[in-house]
Order: sequence, then C-alpha cells, then structure tokens
Amino acid sequence: RKEVEQDPGPFNVPEGATVAFNCTYSNSASQSFFWYRQDCRKEPKLLMSVYSSGNEDGRFTAQLNRASQYISLLIRDSKLSDSATYLCVVNRMNRDDKIIFGKGTRLHILP
Amino acid sequence: DTAVSQTPKYLVTQMGNDKSIKCEQNLGHDTMYWYKQDSKKFLKIMFSYNNKELIINETVPNRFSPKSPDKAHLNLHINSLELGDSAVYFCASSRSLVGEAFFGQGTRLTVV
Repeated sequence: RKEVEQDPGPFNVPEGATVAFNCTYSNSASQSFFWYRQDCRKEPKLLMSVYSSGNEDGRFTAQLNRASQYISLLIRDSKLSDSATYLCVVNRMNRDDKIIFGKGTRLHILP
Repeated sequence: DTAVSQTPKYLVTQMGNDKSIKCEQNLGHDTMYWYKQDSKKFLKIMFSYNNKELIINETVPNRFSPKSPDKAHLNLHINSLELGDSAVYFCASSRSLVGEAFFGQGTRLTVV
C-alpha cells in the first residue's frame, strides 16, 4: 500500500455542484495533515490544515478519520476558479521526519 | 514582497554541467526544503533542513547537495547534470517540521 494515495481524477464537475475527494494514508503515526492546491505551472499553496475535529473554511470542509486513516475535502457550490489539482499532505514526526505529498486529484469545474 | 523566492525561474543547461538554484525565505521559518516535481507531476521531498540538521531523502543521488549559509537560505547545487534531472524544483519553508509549508515559484530545469 502506498504511503499516501489519492484518486488522480480528473473529476469533471458542473459549476455549483458539490464535490468530495479522499486521501488515504498508511502510517498510523502520521501527525499532521494538509490540503494544498496547485494550479497549472504554479507552486502548491496551502488550502487548509486538517484537524482531528474537522474544520471548515467557507465552501471548503476538511475532515480526518484516524480510525480508517483517511482525510477528506469537500467543496460546496463549486466555482470555475476551483479548477486545480488538490494535493493531500501527510506529515509524520519521528526520526524519519517524513513529509509526503499525494500525487494529487485533478478537478475541472465545467461552466 | 515574496515570502519564499528562488532563482532562476528557468534554467536550461547541457548534460554534465554543474548548476545551482538559490532559495531565500523572509518568513523567519526554521525549516526549509527542496522538492522535485517530475513530468508526472509527482511532488517528492529531496531534503529538509531544520536547525542545522539536514535530513536527506535516501533516493536522492549524491550529485545533489543542499547548502545553507544561514537560516534564511537553502541553495541546491547539482553536479554532473543528467537528462533525468529535468523537472521543476521547488523550495519551501515552514515554521517547524510539522507546520504548513510555503513554496517558492519553482525553477524549471531542462537538461539537454
């Protein structure tokens, strides 16, 4: 099993729809989790951190399920500008200090 | 006022050359990183540098060497460039090893 797995997509979603994607991780020692967004030919940018209690930022909701070892991202009322690749990041603090990026999920919002 | 800046933005060079990419952050962060994003868009960490401790990804060839003159800078030096080194290299920084990372704009390296 890969350390961090995401469905690569693409997800083609009409504007205004709700879309959700998950990211699974294999190491139960993982401690911090993030969603990043990367636009074509640009650098990744932090979208939101993922807390154990879940967190919401406007149209975006992130959740962590430690028992099943996955994090999720929900986008409501999707906009054309949400089209991007969404990267899941898992950070494990131990001697290896490994930060692992998922390969990303491509999202296309259709007009 | 760019938080993490790296230069150059584009670098085209011949096989066998030695090149450097510079990175500076003005966020006062303690940790800096180099990432490589290949043609398949897979982003992989190469190095992290925290409080003068270098953590190396074991898959990185020793032709790649990071150099940190101070906490705000982490440069990447590459010896004997190979075709397979062509990729986008991102520098990043974070407050700590568990904090969110802020990325530079990337350096698109093409080895011909």
